[in-house]
Amino acid sequence: AQSVSQHNHHVILSEAASLELGCNYSYGGTVNLFWYVQYPGQHLQLLLKYFSGDPLVKGIKGFEAEFIKSKFSFNLRKPSVQWSDTAEYFCAVNEDYGQNFVFGPGTRLSVLP
Amino acid sequence: NAGVTQTPKFRVLKTGQSMTLLCAQDMNHEYMYWYRQDPGMGLRLIHYSVGEGTTAKGEVPDGYNVSRLKKQNFLLGLESAAPSQTSVYFCASSLVLNQPQHFGDGTRLSIL
Repeated sequence: AQSVSQHNHHVILSEAASLELGCNYSYGGTVNLFWYVQYPGQHLQLLLKYFSGDPLVKGIKGFEAEFIKSKFSFNLRKPSVQWSDTAEYFCAVNEDYGQNFVFGPGTRLSVLP
Repeated sequence: NAGVTQTPKFRVLKTGQSMTLLCAQDMNHEYMYWYRQDPGMGLRLIHYSVGEGTTAKGEVPDGYNVSRLKKQNFLLGLESAAPSQTSVYFCASSLVLNQPQHFGDGTRLSIL
C-alpha cells in the first residue's frame, strides 16, 4: 500500500525565512502529487499539483514544489515566508488510475512575526 | 458558489448513539470522499464513491457506513458511536479521477 511521509511535524520560522517541507512517498509507479494547505479553522485548499512535465511546479501564494522521481520526493518550498503562511501543510499522492488519495500526516508551520 | 457543504458543523454524541453526516456538492462531481482528521495522523480515507449508487472502503472504514443515492450527496453514518470516532470529518469531491479534491469545512464530532 502507498504511504506518504512528511519529515517534520512542526516547523517554526521567522518572517522572511526560507521554507522547505519534505514529502516522500512509497509507490513505485506513476503518481500524481499534491500539496494542500489548511489555515486555522478552515478546510483544506489546494496549493499546487504535479501530474507530468516540468518537475518544478509553481502554485499559489509564491509556493513551489519539486518532484524528484529518483528520490520519491515532492518537497514544498517558499523563498520568504509570511506570518499569514501559518497553517498546516499536507502532501498527498494519488497513483495514476488509482481510486483514492493518500495524505501525509501533515506539517504544522508557525511563522513568527 | 457553495462548493462542498457539510452538515452539521458540530455535534456531541453519547456512546452508542447513531447519526448521519451529510455532504452535498453542487459542482456535478463524480467522485466523493469522506476523511477523518486526527492530530498527527493527517487525513485518513474512510469511504469513497466513484459515482451515484457506488461506494467503496477506504483505509479506515470500520464503524462507518455510507450511501450515495444521489450524485450530489454523500452520507456518512455512524450506527453505534464510540469514543474512538471523536474526530473532525471532512468530505471532498473531485470531477474525475486524479483531479484535485475540493473540501468541505468539516464536521467536528465528539463522542462522550
